[in-house]
This record gives sequence, C-alpha cells and structure tokens, in this order.
Amino acid sequence: TQLLEQSPQFLSIQEGENLTVYCNSSSVFSSLQWYRQEPGEGPVLLVTVVTGGEVKKLKRLTFQFGDARKDSSLHITAAQPGDTGLYLCAGARRTSGSRLTFGEGTQLTVNP
Amino acid sequence: ETGVTQTPRHLVMGMTNKKSLKCEQHLGHNAMYWYKQSAKKPLELMFVYSLEERVENNSVPSRFSPECPNSSHLFLHLHTLQPEDSALYLCASSHGQGPNSPLHFGNGTRLTVT
Repeated sequence: TQLLEQSPQFLSIQEGENLTVYCNSSSVFSSLQWYRQEPGEGPVLLVTVVTGGEVKKLKRLTFQFGDARKDSSLHITAAQPGDTGLYLCAGARRTSGSRLTFGEGTQLTVNP
Repeated sequence: ETGVTQTPRHLVMGMTNKKSLKCEQHLGHNAMYWYKQSAKKPLELMFVYSLEERVENNSVPSRFSPECPNSSHLFLHLHTLQPEDSALYLCASSHGQGPNSPLHFGNGTRLTVT
C-alpha cells in the first residue's frame, strides 16, 4: 500500500495551459515538501508546507496543504517547457524521525 | 565547488564485481543519506548518517555497505549485486534531521548490473 499517492502519474500538456497535480494520503504529516527532478539530475526542493490550509506561491506555482494535513496540491499557471520534469511530494511525520515518505511522482511534459 | 557531488555518474558492473559510489557535500550539513530510485517506484531510503554515525538502516541487503568517514563524505560499497539492484542511487544531505529539514540531492549514479 502506497502511503503517498500522486496523481496523475503522467501529464502531457501544451505550453500556456494550466494544470494541477495531487498528493494524497490517509496519514497525517507534520510537513510536506515538493521537489522537481529534471532528467539526469537529482530532485530539487521547491517548497515546504507545514500548516494545515497553508498556501504558498512560487511565481506561477501555487502549493496548498490540506486542512487536515493529509494531502497537498500543486497548481501551475500558464505552463512553460521549462516546467517539464518529475514532481515529487514527500511527507514527514514526527514519529518517523529523519525518514521522508516519497510519492511515486508526476511526470510532467510541457510541449512548445 | 558547492552542493552535493556524486561520482561516478554512470556505472556498469557485473554481478561478481566490487565497486564503490562516492558522495561529497560542501554545504556544511551534518546528515547524509543514500536513496534508491527505481522506475515507477517512490524513492527508497537506504541509509542515514548523522554526525558520521549511522542512525537508520532500512533493511538493506548486506551487499550494500555504507561508510561515512567524516561529515562531508559518504560512500556506498557494492559487492555481488543482482540485476534488480540496477537503479539511480541518490545521495542527499541536510542540516539536522527534523521533519522540516529539506534534502539537498546530488545528481545520482546510474547503476546497471549485468
């Protein structure tokens, strides 16, 4: 059983479109991180959300942490080819010490 | 040089070979990690070192042996691997180990076991 479910697994869109990817769990997390991984590189942290209901914006990217801290979403406005990559969510729980639980990721392709 | 550096970037080895992966971080972090990334699977945490002491070992087979000689360097020694061990091995570091400590990843070593 996957602790963090990401959907969709694959998404291919045209430049300029909007999109939302989801990260869902039945478990409560103390914080949740979003990473982007480009081909041939390691994941790079985009944002950390820690408060239920929190919304953070990073240019065209909007991240939301669910009120119950069990889910999160990432919305991209007017996607660009440079947004292409694997988007990973990772949850932390106080009972798990240093262990982050990662989702399988959403592979996003933005076509010019 | 800054960040987290992993070498080699690519490695092909036979099942009877012995090889080592190297990771170096220049961020002044005190925790280092090995993760395994396989296709269509979440990142799997293998080992965690904090202040050069191993604090987590996630039931990893003994054919993987980590070594952390100091807070800036981390190795993963490999021997008698299986084809299913082929994957991208990512090293990461962080300042502290709290739930909010972000991970800084290297670019990984793509390992192929033949």
